[in-house]
Amino acid sequence: QKEVEQNSGPLSVPEGAIASLNCTYSDRGSQSFFWYRQYSGKSPELIMSIYSNGDKEDGRFTAQLNKASQYVSLLIRDSQPSDSATYLCAGQSGTYKYIFGTGTRLKVLA
Amino acid sequence: GAGVSQSPSNKVTEKGKDVELRCDPISGHTALYWYRQSLGQGLEFLIYFQGNSAPDKSGLPSDRFSAERTGGSVSTLTIQRTQQEDSAVYLCASSWGQGNEKLFFGSGTQLSVL
Repeated sequence: QKEVEQNSGPLSVPEGAIASLNCTYSDRGSQSFFWYRQYSGKSPELIMSIYSNGDKEDGRFTAQLNKASQYVSLLIRDSQPSDSATYLCAGQSGTYKYIFGTGTRLKVLA
Repeated sequence: GAGVSQSPSNKVTEKGKDVELRCDPISGHTALYWYRQSLGQGLEFLIYFQGNSAPDKSGLPSDRFSAERTGGSVSTLTIQRTQQEDSAVYLCASSWGQGNEKLFFGSGTQLSVL
């Protein structure tokens, strides 16, 4: 099974700071990548997807993809306590299989 | 339905018993996934169904695990002779089946094997 790796954290940042979450993947055939947010005891929900090299911005969130380095990141600007959650990186392997990393737990300190 | 529905939400069973977990995907979604999430861990892929194609069973951890999807809609994940290490949250997700797309997750079944 192809791997997607993340630092488990916790990553602690003060309110208002930029949180930087990172993910690496081993399957060079992966074309699409996704960031899901999972609050404690809840199911994952999609916050960003990225398919091309470069940056993709959506509000306070920016996803970055570097296929040559097999690296995906998520930046959260102006972090809020409500952003405290586990962030799961997923890569699409093959046509339809989505492989998830173990997640990074983010704590935003008020 | 409005979302992916899973039942039961909680299941406590004794070691060695069989359990069945049910998933009712969003109407019209052709792709259905089962994942397992152990405490504090990420999502472990178990099995994937796409329309009438043969399922991708490559993530099933042992032959005690099986799944079926009847009529391209409802899916049942069966675990035979449960073991304590099977304790986890079992998440079902569905999507339109076009690739490169959002997965819609159910609320999961918390399985506890005593």
